[in-house]
Parts: sequence; structure tokens; C-alpha cells
Amino acid sequence: EVQLVQSGAEVKKPGESLRISCKASGYSFTSYWISWVRQMPGKGLEWMGRIDPTDSYTIYSPSFEGHVTISADKSISTAYLQWSSLGASDTAMYYCARITGYHDFDYWGQGTLVTVSS
Amino acid sequence: QAGLTQPPSVSKGLRQTATLTCTGNSNNVGKQGAGWLQQHQGHPPKLLSYRNNDRPSGISERFSASRSGNTASLTITGLQPEDEADYYCSAWDSSLSAYVFGTGTKVTVL
Repeated sequence: EVQLVQSGAEVKKPGESLRISCKASGYSFTSYWISWVRQMPGKGLEWMGRIDPTDSYTIYSPSFEGHVTISADKSISTAYLQWSSLGASDTAMYYCARITGYHDFDYWGQGTLVTVSS
Repeated sequence: QAGLTQPPSVSKGLRQTATLTCTGNSNNVGKQGAGWLQQHQGHPPKLLSYRNNDRPSGISERFSASRSGNTASLTITGLQPEDEADYYCSAWDSSLSAYVFGTGTKVTVL
């Protein structure tokens, strides 16, 4: 059974750093890209970027490039999303999702709620 | 970043048919098609339809997808209370080299 299990909810202060994770199981981790998607409270889905776990080649949405870093460790089948300096506007639910070779988001993690507040 | 356009809401009666639309352009929906996702409140999205309009295993036949030009559609027949959710389309945009999501449609079953 394919599963993407994300790390738990986080509460941070503005300016702090953070890394959240997405552990994959039930399939070959390097056979599919992993994407990160943001959903702000009461809003829609926003694509942030994706990584190829085979070689860690990553592309970002222009809206997020330079503000977040996506990485992966194929030895432990885990993808990461990190911030070096959080702001209040980063408060949101973050999902990881598996992407098929035909650009479908076929499996999703349960989500990680990030709250940034002073 | 350009997105895909969906009507904000659709309301239909129990057991009726709802058709949701997703409008993009020739670089995304028109070229690559669109996938459809269902999201219940407080839950992650779930894939309802692949870009080629096939359904993943376990998805009810009441959900069917199609495309005409730059517009993708999701039809839900025999609406049930559990179909109340937000629905999003998604596509790869070859011009932006990015994935784009629809603005989302909230389906209400009266």
C-alpha cells in the first residue's frame, strides 16, 4: 500500500527555521517525483515545487522559489520542505503528493499544519 | 502564476447530476488534459480522475471526466451527501514548466 506520512504540526515564531518531512512507503521512492502543495486557511491548492528523488533535481513555482528549499534523501525514502526564515504568511497546511509520469497527483500525505505566530 | 478557472460553487439536489468545469489554455488543459481531485473538509485531496479521464481503482463510476478544447469537465451523477466537498482540477503547464491548480469548486448537495 502506497503511503506518504508527513511530520507533525509545528508552531514557530517569525524568523525561525523549519524543516518538515514526508516519508514514502509501499513503492519505489525513486520511480516517482514528489511535490509540495500549500493550502492557506480557507483557500485553494498552490503548487510549490517538485523533486525527482533519483537525482534530487528540483523545480520551483516562481511564487515560492528562493523562499523554500525542497530536498530528498532516497536512502530513507523521505522528502523535505524547509524554510530558513518563516513569516506569518507561511501559516498554512502543507501537503506532499506523489506525481505520476503523466503529471497526476495520485497519492497525498495527510498534511502538516505550520503556524507562525509571535 | 496563472491558474485554472473553476466556478466557485455548484448546488444540486440529492440524486441529481452536477457538472463541474475547469478552463485553462492551450499550454495546459488543451495540451495535457486535467486531473481531478476531491477534498473533504479537514482532509487531504484525493485523486478522482487521471488526466486521461480514467478513474483510479476504488473511485465510483458516478464520477466521470472529459475534455473539450481548453476546458475539462467532471460529471457527478446520482449526487450523494458524501459528495459534498471541494473539487480541484490540476494540469501541467508546458509554457510555465509548472503545475497549476484550479481555483476550486464547492459542491453542495441539497
